[in-house]
Amino acid sequence: EAQVTQNPRYLITVTGKKLTVTCSQNMNHEYMSWYRQDPGLGLRQIYYSMNVEVTDKGDVPEGYKVSRKEKRNFPLILESPSPNQTSLYFCASSLRGQFFTGELFFGEGSRLTVL
Amino acid sequence: SQQGEEDPQALSIQEGENATMNCSYKTSINNLQWYRQNSGRGLVHLILIRSNEREKHSGRLRVTLDTSKKSSSLLITASRAADTASYFCATDDWDGGATNKLIFGTGTLLAVQP
Repeated sequence: EAQVTQNPRYLITVTGKKLTVTCSQNMNHEYMSWYRQDPGLGLRQIYYSMNVEVTDKGDVPEGYKVSRKEKRNFPLILESPSPNQTSLYFCASSLRGQFFTGELFFGEGSRLTVL
Repeated sequence: SQQGEEDPQALSIQEGENATMNCSYKTSINNLQWYRQNSGRGLVHLILIRSNEREKHSGRLRVTLDTSKKSSSLLITASRAADTASYFCATDDWDGGATNKLIFGTGTLLAVQP
């Protein structure tokens, strides 16, 4: 089954404790992206990757890191989480990065709470 | 940056009625997409309309696009309780070259009362 898998789905952590949210897709998609969703603000892009070893900042990259060593995986790293990073995070992928002619496939989301 | 803004922010209708949601955007686009999100779940793609298209249908969904007004509408006909969800429009920020991001609006929350 074609899917985007995120882990963990739920996480409560404390300020400053490094964490990684994993994202994996099994559709051989070139493009992957991370979004955060906050009430009243919609979805905002954090980072995206056009292909392996190619990553770039979205609209709200501060406090986050990503890597794309393999085509299928695109982990989101919070080196020193802060309470303002409490949010619902989505990973998404698409067949091609340029000229969005197709859809984005989303994971089920990771709800992160930073105390 | 927010590209699309949906209107209304919330909509409550009775089962069987039609639901219309609107989206306005700011820049030139290559295409516009609509997504649905059940509460707390991942977004699911509904339909894509290209900038050279004016109307598109998929089942009970009808999407229109007016590039001169930079706006789109999503019509759901004969709504069902299962259509209760948030609906988002998304646009690619087209500058005539490669576009590498899809920008989402803030969504319309649709509640269909049985």
